[in-house]
Parts: sequence; C-alpha cells; structure tokens
Amino acid sequence: AQSVTQLDSHVSVSEGTPVLLRCNYSSSYSPSLFWYVQHPNKGLQLLLKYTSAATLVKGINGFEAEFKKSETSFHLTKPSAHMSDAAEYFCVVRLFTGGGNKLTFGTGTQLKVEL
Amino acid sequence: NAGVMQNPRHLVRRRGQEARLRCSPMKGHSHVYWYRQLPEEGLKFMVYLQKENIIDESGMPKERFSAEFPKEGPSILRIQQVVRGDSAAYFCASSRDSFYEQYFGPGTRLTVT
Repeated sequence: AQSVTQLDSHVSVSEGTPVLLRCNYSSSYSPSLFWYVQHPNKGLQLLLKYTSAATLVKGINGFEAEFKKSETSFHLTKPSAHMSDAAEYFCVVRLFTGGGNKLTFGTGTQLKVEL
Repeated sequence: NAGVMQNPRHLVRRRGQEARLRCSPMKGHSHVYWYRQLPEEGLKFMVYLQKENIIDESGMPKERFSAEFPKEGPSILRIQQVVRGDSAAYFCASSRDSFYEQYFGPGTRLTVT
C-alpha cells in the first residue's frame, strides 16, 4: 500500500526565513509525489510534482522539493517565507489502480508566517 | 480555458434531505474524481469515473452515496438522507487521462443542520 506521512501538523516561521515542510512516503515501487497548497476556504493548487525525472523539483512561488529514495522523503522547502505562503500544505502520493489513478493525501501541515 | 467548476459552492441541508453536488471537468478532460475533506483532515478519495462508467468506487460509503458522470452534462455526487456526519468539503478533480495530474475544483462545502 502507498501512503504519505507529514511529520508536522503545524509549522510556524518568521517572514523572510526558510520553510521546511516534511513528508515521508511509503511505496512498493517508484512513486509519483505531489505537493498541493490549500488557502483558507479555497480549492487545492498544485505546487509541484515528482514523476521519476529529476530528483530536485522546482514548483511555483519559489517552492521546491527533493526526492530522496534512500530516506523515503519528499520534503518541501522555500528559501524565504512570505506572508502569502500561510496556508495548508498537503503531500500526496499517486496510486495507479484499475486503469486509472487516485491520490492519497497526507494529513496536512498548517504553515503560519509571522512578521 | 475554464478550470474545474463545482456548484453550488455552499450547500445547507437539513437532516434527511438529499444533497446533489455538481462538477464540470476542465475542457478536454474525461476523467473525474471525487474527494471528501472532513474538518481538520486531509482529503480522502471517494470515487473515480469516466464518461458513463464508474471505474473505482472503493472510497464511497456503502449506503446513501452515489455518483454518476453521464455522456452529456456534469458529474453528480448524490447523498441521500444526509446526516450531520456528512458535513464536509467535497472536491472534484479532473484529468485528461488516467496518467495525467488531477486539477481540482474549488469544492462544495456541505453543512447539514
């Protein structure tokens, strides 16, 4: 079975400091991994995706994530946080099944950005 | 190019009533997925449909819930005889085919009073 574990339910950073949101995955084969962001009362926006190409993936708004097979991790980082980054972030693994695909979401990390 | 559209955005139902949630996929997308987000939780897969076919409904509750994606028109998630525990945000996603990433709609927030 495939799953993802987000290690922190809440992360708080100061504006201008680095962001690190941690995600570990479990998969019996090479996974496809995603990070989605959800702003309050809004839908989900795809930040970035890993699909077995380059292990360092760059996304929108300055975010990036590195796939590390040896550590089964896919942590999300950003060098300098902005107030507008405050949102909930979901690490997601894609499972191919029955000719289609479905997404398994982590429980989410709430990012708070303080002045 | 319009994204995934869901309506209504907010829906209030009394216990025992029916709720119908609609999802129009992105243009050119024929695969639709429904997910449910309970308060303080991540999204959970419910059902995956292609035009006129249910491909995977492993996440659907066994009773009261049904989904369809007709040849013409939007996909419908139907909840009969709603209960308070059905209060949640229901998200629809669409993809071009089974291997492409899913694009999400803004969600329908269902409140059962």
